[in-house]
Amino acid sequence: QSALTQPPSASGSPGQSVTISCTGTSSDVGGYNSVSWYQQHPGKAPKLMIYEVSKRPSGVPDRFSGSKSGNTASLTVSGLQAEDEADYYCSSYAGSNSVVFGGGTKLTVL
Amino acid sequence: QVQLVQSGAEVKKPGASVKVSCKASGYTFTTYYMHWVRQAPGQGLEWMGIINPTNGGTSYAQKFQGRVTMTMDTSTSTVYMELSSLRSEDTAVYYCARDIVLVPSAIYNFDYWGQGTLVTVSS
Repeated sequence: QSALTQPPSASGSPGQSVTISCTGTSSDVGGYNSVSWYQQHPGKAPKLMIYEVSKRPSGVPDRFSGSKSGNTASLTVSGLQAEDEADYYCSSYAGSNSVVFGGGTKLTVL
Repeated sequence: QVQLVQSGAEVKKPGASVKVSCKASGYTFTTYYMHWVRQAPGQGLEWMGIINPTNGGTSYAQKFQGRVTMTMDTSTSTVYMELSSLRSEDTAVYYCARDIVLVPSAIYNFDYWGQGTLVTVSS
């Protein structure tokens, strides 16, 4: 499978909203609701921010939201804060017991 | 609290094998699938495979078929990932990560991650 397509970078000022896209195909993002998003700070393990397209794990601020339309999933971060600056990865179940990740987006808080 | 604690960094020569462990605590080991994900330096995440904690059944990413073996020891709540025929491109941080839903389901979304194990392959 090919990696999901994410923009390499995104940015916004504190308090603003930013949306990161994740484009796949009908064999992964478009075919399943097992889309998740992970935040990764330098030198740290990834942290789950969104699962099953739009669900938030306990402890994740409601400033983080997820959605999907067709073959594209999106992560929106509202009310940007300095600590949101990190790399973000999407992933999707891709059938036949497999997972595909996006290439990652570096989010900069200006 | 749920914790996944991995073994320490390894340095291996090309052609060798490496075995990384991941000890789970804070939950019933046999109730959640476990995955392995790796990340090469400065690169993205790459899924390697999944192990069923109830029976040790596995499924591996096509890329690693024939080179990776995932096993477990329920008595110590530990899963293992062994990668053989190492090459320089296998230099990466290897993570174990727990599936978010209870067995018998798995949705391939990962709620808890180990701290990562750096494997360096160099002659």
